[in-house]
Amino acid sequence: EAGVAQSPRYKIIEKRQSVAFWCNPISGHATLYWYQQILGQGPKLLIQFQNNGVVDDSQLPKDRFSAERLKGVDSTLKIQPAKLEDSAVYLCASNNAVTDTQYFGPGTRLTVL
Amino acid sequence: GEDVEQSLFLSVREGDSSVINCTYTDSSSTYLYWYKQEPGAGLQLLTYIFSNMDMKQDQRLTVLLNKKDKHLSLRIADTQTGDSAIYFCAEIYTGGFKTIFGAGTRLFVKA
Repeated sequence: EAGVAQSPRYKIIEKRQSVAFWCNPISGHATLYWYQQILGQGPKLLIQFQNNGVVDDSQLPKDRFSAERLKGVDSTLKIQPAKLEDSAVYLCASNNAVTDTQYFGPGTRLTVL
Repeated sequence: GEDVEQSLFLSVREGDSSVINCTYTDSSSTYLYWYKQEPGAGLQLLTYIFSNMDMKQDQRLTVLLNKKDKHLSLRIADTQTGDSAIYFCAEIYTGGFKTIFGAGTRLFVKA
């Protein structure tokens, strides 16, 4: 079974630029999560989708972050404009509804200069 | 509010047992998880325990849950150098609607 795919793996941008990350979950997983993991911290949930609907986006900084999952499969997370404090690893996960187990992708490491 | 706390570092000798501890605040969680993260990698699920269980064993891993004290622990028997990583405790509420991760415990295994 293929795991959660993410791209790119690394991205370096300057502040005020825009960036987008892509995630393809495990086939058949209806729930998809985006997390932000700042160095030295645990992952923080940004947004959770159930199919193509948003379940929880309470911690998403909506003035600059947006996410979509139009067809209920893959998803994109965008930051516009980026700030220095957005430097982090952005992790995507998908959920096995039987056990609520989340499976994580390798992440995208974003550096904002 | 909800919170998950872990000690930041643990150092053990190869062959010894490691015990990583975690405390959580919300008693309504249904699942508690342990994830492992190696440098530059995503989180790898190690094991999980239902909130109505006290213990779960899976090969070298033993999870103990004390619901009264809201304390979760992960014991790794015969710790190897390949076990060196960051270990995250996480609690997930009914239906996966909210997930809280601890800050992670960095395990160092000395040869």
